[in-house]
Amino acid sequence: KNEVEQSPQNLTAQEGEFITINCSYSVGISALHWLQQHPGGGIVSLFMLSSGKKKHGRLIATINIQEKHSSLHITASHPRDSAVYICAGQGAQKLVFGQGTRLTINP
Amino acid sequence: NAGVTQTPKFQVLKTGQSMTLQCAQDMNHEYMSWYRQDPGMGLRLIHYSVGAGITDQGEVPNGYNVSRSTTEDFPLRLLSAAPSQTSVYFCASRRQGAVFFGQGTRLTVV
Repeated sequence: KNEVEQSPQNLTAQEGEFITINCSYSVGISALHWLQQHPGGGIVSLFMLSSGKKKHGRLIATINIQEKHSSLHITASHPRDSAVYICAGQGAQKLVFGQGTRLTINP
Repeated sequence: NAGVTQTPKFQVLKTGQSMTLQCAQDMNHEYMSWYRQDPGMGLRLIHYSVGAGITDQGEVPNGYNVSRSTTEDFPLRLLSAAPSQTSVYFCASRRQGAVFFGQGTRLTVV
């Protein structure tokens, strides 16, 4: 069964801190999506990774295929980064979602 | 290019009523899907489609029907609404690479 485990479930930090959210996945997942959902808002795709590392602005996503592990990093965090971050594994036909990490950045 | 358009944004139904949530995409994506999002449960797959004329069940299909007569449209029908179907619903499409979500529908069944 495809599974995706995400940690931590909740994370509170001060503005400017470096943030890391982790995602582990099982056999059968060929790629990993990182998604962002602001309170009461829609879901936006940040990255899709099947290998290596991707960077967009202050966001960096990495994946280690051998260890079946991915991380999302936020540098110089800002209150507007406060959101739920969701990793989703791409199975043969379906996405398998982690439970999400609720990130709060305090000014 | 509008992406994924999902309507309505909000809906209140009485128990036993039926309704259709609309989802349309203009990116020529073959894969479309419907999810519900409940507190503490994450996103759960209701139904999905890998192309026009092809649909399949996800994790929580009971009480919902779908059809895919065109590549663009993938409506979700609630046959007889129940309070347990109170949730936020998202439609999504993808081809290769990124997945695109609709804006979501907050449905309350009273």
